[in-house]
Amino acid sequence: NAGVTQTPKFRVLKTGQSMTLLCAQDMNHEYMYWYRQDPGMGLRLIHYSVGEGTTAKGEVPDGYNVSRLKKQNFLLGLESAAPSQTSVYFCASSYPLGQGNTGELFFGEGSRLTVL
Amino acid sequence: AQRVTQPEKLLSVFKGAPVELKCNYSYSGSPELFWYVQYSRQRLQLLLRHISRESIKGFTADLNKGETSFHLKKPFAQEEDSAMYYCALNSGGSNYKLTFGKGTLLTVNP
Repeated sequence: NAGVTQTPKFRVLKTGQSMTLLCAQDMNHEYMYWYRQDPGMGLRLIHYSVGEGTTAKGEVPDGYNVSRLKKQNFLLGLESAAPSQTSVYFCASSYPLGQGNTGELFFGEGSRLTVL
Repeated sequence: AQRVTQPEKLLSVFKGAPVELKCNYSYSGSPELFWYVQYSRQRLQLLLRHISRESIKGFTADLNKGETSFHLKKPFAQEEDSAMYYCALNSGGSNYKLTFGKGTLLTVNP
């Protein structure tokens, strides 16, 4: 049981390049999230998904796209990377709150992205 | 709009001293609040939830709706408590998404 796995863990991009971050969870969780963590800014929600085939915008969605084609995977894409997207990205997953579930978020180890 | 405020970026205490990490929130509905912790080189993880009224690793947090606060407290800090602490608010209702504060870095000195 690996929990939440993010790939890649590190990546350096040039401005304008594109890339995809992959998040995979093996806990059969319905909900999945992408956050970015920046110094002094805490964690900010980029996009999230409440089930396979659904996605929704979070607090800072601009410049990112996501897809949830399979329940266990949540992809975060940067179509044209900008230096402002230099950050540590965290994926998380959870059961819906209620029905005996605590709604606890389980996080991946993070992916450090640098855009030059 | 929902908001979580952690006024202290850094907090430094000595081992054995009491510690209080402050968290204030703004939310129009009935709040669901959490504390998450990130130890060095470890994943972010849940510390405690207000609805369970539990004590984890000696930490407690009481929801005060009048003051819109959810401060995290421990009577006697330990060096292993040194970590980044985030207060979080469920701002999505039934859709369940967490809004995090900016975090407080706690350092417990020997």
